[in-house]
Amino acid sequence: QKEVEQDPGPLSVPEGAIVSLNCTYSNSAFQYFMWYRQYSRKGPELLMYTYSSGNKEDGRFTAQVDKSSKYISLFIRDSQPSDSATYLCAMTPNSGGYQKVTFGIGTKLQVIP
Amino acid sequence: DAMVIQNPRYQVTQFGKPVTLSCSQTLNHNVMYWYQQKSSQAPKLLFHYYDKDFNNEADTPDNFQSRRPNTSFCFLDIRSPGLGDAAMYLCATSRDSSAFFGQGTRLTVV
Repeated sequence: QKEVEQDPGPLSVPEGAIVSLNCTYSNSAFQYFMWYRQYSRKGPELLMYTYSSGNKEDGRFTAQVDKSSKYISLFIRDSQPSDSATYLCAMTPNSGGYQKVTFGIGTKLQVIP
Repeated sequence: DAMVIQNPRYQVTQFGKPVTLSCSQTLNHNVMYWYQQKSSQAPKLLFHYYDKDFNNEADTPDNFQSRRPNTSFCFLDIRSPGLGDAAMYLCATSRDSSAFFGQGTRLTVV
């Protein structure tokens, strides 16, 4: 079993839809959770950074962490064609200094105009 | 403004010919990482520097080496690239929070 499981998709949605992206994990030591967006042939760009369980909102993006279920989600409201990218979840046991980050495989999202 | 800069963006090298990829950062972060990402796969950590201390992942092939002459710069050397080393190579930095990535160097081996 992989430490982080993420459906690779692809996921196709119409413009304006609410998108839900998810990851599950098995390592209970993970405390910090990130979502990265990666456009084709580019490096990952940090979208959201959360600590422990709870919700965090930033514009059209909401990150949720449920540590009891070992499940994290990223919601995108009013999705736009420019949101078309691969979304990688990532997590680490610690912050500061060296961070052993474990990534999901990424979910490819396509928002259709 | 670019904070983690990788050069070149695209690199073509011959099978077995040594190649060097470079990374620079303006964030003054003390940790720098090199990741390898193959198509439709998660980034895989090769090694990292914590200040001047080099830390190799156990499964990183000996073919991959790294240098960090100062805080701002880090290099990835591939001594004898094979066809299986064709990938996107990502440099990242961190200090107190999450990692910031450069745009990557896409390496092609011919």
